[in-house]
Amino acid sequence: DAGVIQSPRHEVTEMGQEVTLRCKPISGHNSLFWYRQTMMRGLELLIYFNNNVPIDDSGMPEDRFSAKMPNASFSTLKIQPSEPRDSAVYFCASSSQRGDTQYFGPGTRLTVL
Amino acid sequence: KQEVTQIPAALSVPEGENLVLNCSFTDSAIYNLQWFRQDPGKGLTSLLLIQSSQREQTSGRLNASLDKSSGRSTLYIAASQPGDSATYLCAVISGGGGADGLTFGKGTHLIIQP
Repeated sequence: DAGVIQSPRHEVTEMGQEVTLRCKPISGHNSLFWYRQTMMRGLELLIYFNNNVPIDDSGMPEDRFSAKMPNASFSTLKIQPSEPRDSAVYFCASSSQRGDTQYFGPGTRLTVL
Repeated sequence: KQEVTQIPAALSVPEGENLVLNCSFTDSAIYNLQWFRQDPGKGLTSLLLIQSSQREQTSGRLNASLDKSSGRSTLYIAASQPGDSATYLCAVISGGGGADGLTFGKGTHLIIQP
């Protein structure tokens, strides 16, 4: 299995631009998670899907952030408009079912200038 | 709100030593606890998962213990090697019917000196 796939691996954009991060979970996994990692705050959960349905989005920082999972093999995290404080590494993870081991993708390093 | 703390924040030891990394959590009602490894610029690799009903898990030179009542877990690494150098992260899923996302500690940055 290829593991969790994220794209792009690096993204540099200017403040105010729209950013879309993409994730392909491991085939057959029912749960998908988006996390953000910064030096100051560490790893934080943004949103969690189960069977393509958003379950908990309490970690999404603002209305500028939105996430979708149109099918079991694809999810997006969108930031519009982006701000410098959004600069971080964004990880996607998936697990086969509730409480199972979460497998992380390589992350997308986002820099907003 | 669940909080996870890892001590020490950084650790440097000579190769061959046995070492212990500590993790504590404020809410003992957890579903499970997981230990991860993160290499610089890379994603997270799962090392061990301990269910709330278990006391420990072992994988090779790694042993993780869980004392849910006291809100503590330890990761024991035997006969450390330079390749063990990485940041080790502890994370919990809190119990109940709510979110299944992980709450992470800030990690222990481990350096094994050759």
